[in-house]
Amino acid sequence: AQSVTQLGSHVSVSEGALVLLRCNYSSSVPPYLFWYVQYPNQGLQLLLKYTSAATLVKGINGFEAEFKKSETSFHLTKPSAHMSDAAEYFCAVSAGTSYGKLTFGQGTILTVHP
Amino acid sequence: KAGVTQTPRYLIKTRGQQVTLSCSPISGHRSVSWYQQTPGQGLQFLFEYFSETQRNKGNFPGRFSGRQFSNSRSEMNVSTLELGDSALYLCASSLGEYPNNEQFFGPGTRLTVL
Repeated sequence: AQSVTQLGSHVSVSEGALVLLRCNYSSSVPPYLFWYVQYPNQGLQLLLKYTSAATLVKGINGFEAEFKKSETSFHLTKPSAHMSDAAEYFCAVSAGTSYGKLTFGQGTILTVHP
Repeated sequence: KAGVTQTPRYLIKTRGQQVTLSCSPISGHRSVSWYQQTPGQGLQFLFEYFSETQRNKGNFPGRFSGRQFSNSRSEMNVSTLELGDSALYLCASSLGEYPNNEQFFGPGTRLTVL
């Protein structure tokens, strides 16, 4: 079975500062990893995905994530935070033989201060 | 291309009633997955349908059921509603490939059980 741990349920940054959201996964087979963002009263929007093609993955809105197998991590970063980045972020893993199932972390709420 | 749509967006029911939620996937997608999102438990996988067949099921009681039609639209039903069923129910569609399980989410149905 696979699992995801997001370190820090709340992260607060100033506008223009670096955003770093942490995600560690557990999987006995090579995983596919995803980051999603959820704005209030909306569904989840895919930011980026790791599918074994490249360890550094670039996504939408200036976000990127690096897959580190040795650390079982897939942290999300953005060089400069914008007010519009305030939302909840979820890391998810797909692996093994569990069709149609993404296993999500508990989520990290990002607050951006002016 | 139109996104995933869910109807209704909001529902209020009383304990003991039943409810049916609907999901229309992105055109060409044959897989629909359902998730329950609550503040306490986070995002939990309910089940997945692919070409009208349930391929996977999460750890929920039998009161939660679903089906998929030949046009890939899906419904989920919850019978004998309990207060704890209050949640945001999200459906996600995908091509059904595995484990590159990139899913696209709808806006969700907010169910309140009184």
